[in-house]
Amino acid sequence: DVKVTQSSRYLVKRTGEKVFLECVQDMDHENMFWYRQDPGLGLRLIYFSYDVKMKEKGDIPEGYSVSREKKERFSLILESASTNQTSMYLCASSFERGYYGYTFGSGTRLTVV
Amino acid sequence: GQQVMQIPQYQHVQEGEDFTTYCNSSTTLSNIQWYKQRPGGHPVFLIQLVKSGEVKKQKRLTFQFGEAKKNSSLHITATQTTDVGTYFCAGQPSGNEKLTFGTGTRLTIIP
Repeated sequence: DVKVTQSSRYLVKRTGEKVFLECVQDMDHENMFWYRQDPGLGLRLIYFSYDVKMKEKGDIPEGYSVSREKKERFSLILESASTNQTSMYLCASSFERGYYGYTFGSGTRLTVV
Repeated sequence: GQQVMQIPQYQHVQEGEDFTTYCNSSTTLSNIQWYKQRPGGHPVFLIQLVKSGEVKKQKRLTFQFGEAKKNSSLHITATQTTDVGTYFCAGQPSGNEKLTFGTGTRLTIIP
């Protein structure tokens, strides 16, 4: 089974802190994605990457950046955490571009206080 | 930008009743995918529909893709408590690989 592992299940950070959310997949998938999930808003795409060192903005990139130095790892960075970034963060990967389902990690519930 | 709307937002049904959720896209899609998220869990890929008018079945679940490739539905026959969760559709516009997720339909079952 493909596994997408997110480093933390729950995280509490203070306003203004720099926050790193790590995601690792073990099936050599090319594509990786970061979503946030909020009640009533569904899943919103923050950033995605189709290759190592490649990144593209999703629908809500403001306040976030990403890093993909290795194919299996995709990191989401909150440069200066704010309370409106309190959310569930989901990482996903897929095999190739096009017609493949996404495999999601278990999510990181981030609370910014 | 592309929008994918899903209705209803919530559905409460008696165990054994049927359930349907509908998905509508503002643009034509190359394919549509369906995911299920159990309470406290993460979305899990269920199925993908590619062809216009396509119908696929998984046991009690029936998935349809509209003729115009802009809408889709998921129908569950004789719901069971294991069906509880939020069902998301997600569409890929033609020529674009990025999925856009619907807002989801949360299904609860009354035993």
